Amino acid sequence: QKEVEQNSGPLSVPEGAIASLNCTYSDRGSQSFFWYRQYSGKSPELIMFIYSNGDKEDGRFTAQLNKASQYVSLLIRDSQPSDSATYLCAATQGAQKLVFGQGTRLTINP
Amino acid sequence: KAGVTQTPRYLIKTRGQQVTLSCSPISGHRSVSWYQQTPGQGLQFLFEYFSETQRNKGNFPGRFSGRQFSNSRSEMNVSTLELGDSALYLCASSPEPGRSGEQYFGPGTRLTVT
Repeated sequence: QKEVEQNSGPLSVPEGAIASLNCTYSDRGSQSFFWYRQYSGKSPELIMFIYSNGDKEDGRFTAQLNKASQYVSLLIRDSQPSDSATYLCAATQGAQKLVFGQGTRLTINP
Repeated sequence: KAGVTQTPRYLIKTRGQQVTLSCSPISGHRSVSWYQQTPGQGLQFLFEYFSETQRNKGNFPGRFSGRQFSNSRSEMNVSTLELGDSALYLCASSPEPGRSGEQYFGPGTRLTVT
């Protein structure tokens, strides 16, 4: 079992709709969770982090964490073509080592 | 504020050779982490340095090593290169080790081993 799992996609969403990206993790000791966006040919960039159960909103992005279910999600409202990218979920493990999922490729169709 | 810089951006090496990659973190950032990214394995953690000391290490063979200098700049070295070492090597910096997820990545070094 991978430590952080994501559906690799591709996930196709029409412009203006809500894109929902999901991630599960295996280490119950993980405390911090992160979403990175990576455009093709570019390096990852941090878009959200969440430490506590519940929702965290930042603009069009909402991160959701459920530690009991070991589940993290990212919602993107009013999806734009510029949101088309690979989204990487990451969780801290042990002494703050960061473990990444394989990433979900998201395509927003105009 | 300048971002994370990595040199060189592209590198072609032959099997058996060694390579050294360099990373300069964002000014004021003292923690530097290295990752290997391949299509098959995704983004994998190599190691993290803080105050010239290795804090964490991923599951890579001893051919992969690194160091950090007093100015927080870091280098990683891969000896006896194998074809499977072809990858994008990413360096990321963060203000301190406890905030390893709040990392800022450099543009990466694309290493091709032939």
